[in-house]
Amino acid sequence: DTGVSQDPRHKITKRGQNVTFRCDPISEHNRLYWYRQTLGQGPEFLTYFQNEAQLEKSRLLSDRFSAERPKGSFSTLEIQRTEQGDSAMYLCASSSKRGGDQETQYFGPGTRLLVL
Amino acid sequence: AQSVTQLDSQVPVFEEAPVELRCNYSSSVSVYLFWYVQYPNQGLQLLLKYLSGSTLVESINGFEAEFNKSQTSFHLRKPSVHISDTAEYFCAVRATDTGRRALTFGSGTRLQVQP
Repeated sequence: DTGVSQDPRHKITKRGQNVTFRCDPISEHNRLYWYRQTLGQGPEFLTYFQNEAQLEKSRLLSDRFSAERPKGSFSTLEIQRTEQGDSAMYLCASSSKRGGDQETQYFGPGTRLLVL
Repeated sequence: AQSVTQLDSQVPVFEEAPVELRCNYSSSVSVYLFWYVQYPNQGLQLLLKYLSGSTLVESINGFEAEFNKSQTSFHLRKPSVHISDTAEYFCAVRATDTGRRALTFGSGTRLQVQP
């Protein structure tokens, strides 16, 4: 069990560019979540996958944001036409479907995005 | 929808002193409750959770939290803190409806343990 991994850890981009982040969940975890965290705030939910199906989306997920989990394993989060307000830490988490541990979301280290 | 309020953004405390980090929530449905901790330069880690049963839950490193339904609170306590407890602590809730799995977090409380 190597934990949730995210790539890249840091990304600097210019306003208007597109960026894509990757998340690899803990092996055999069927649920995967994306959150966004800005300075001084707690994480805010963006979206959730069970296997490859995207089951829940936040109003925060504007039409510039898209997330995929094509084979039910890793996931990508793409932001098109980035804006300075997109600067934040993007967190990925995963959880198991098994027993008492299914309520625990395990978080990755995050991808810090800075839009100039 | 749910919301979480952590009234204290920072809590300075001396080593070996007791501490309480406050968490209040609002929800129209039943919720599960969580405390996550974020140590400097590390990711979020689950500290403890309340799902059902005994309203007092404990972590392996001496923290405890008590679910109080009438006061809609889930305060985190430790009788004697260590320097290593310095971190940011987040309270979170989730509706018990299995179709909704999003966690709603508070804004966090920074615990600063001083020698």
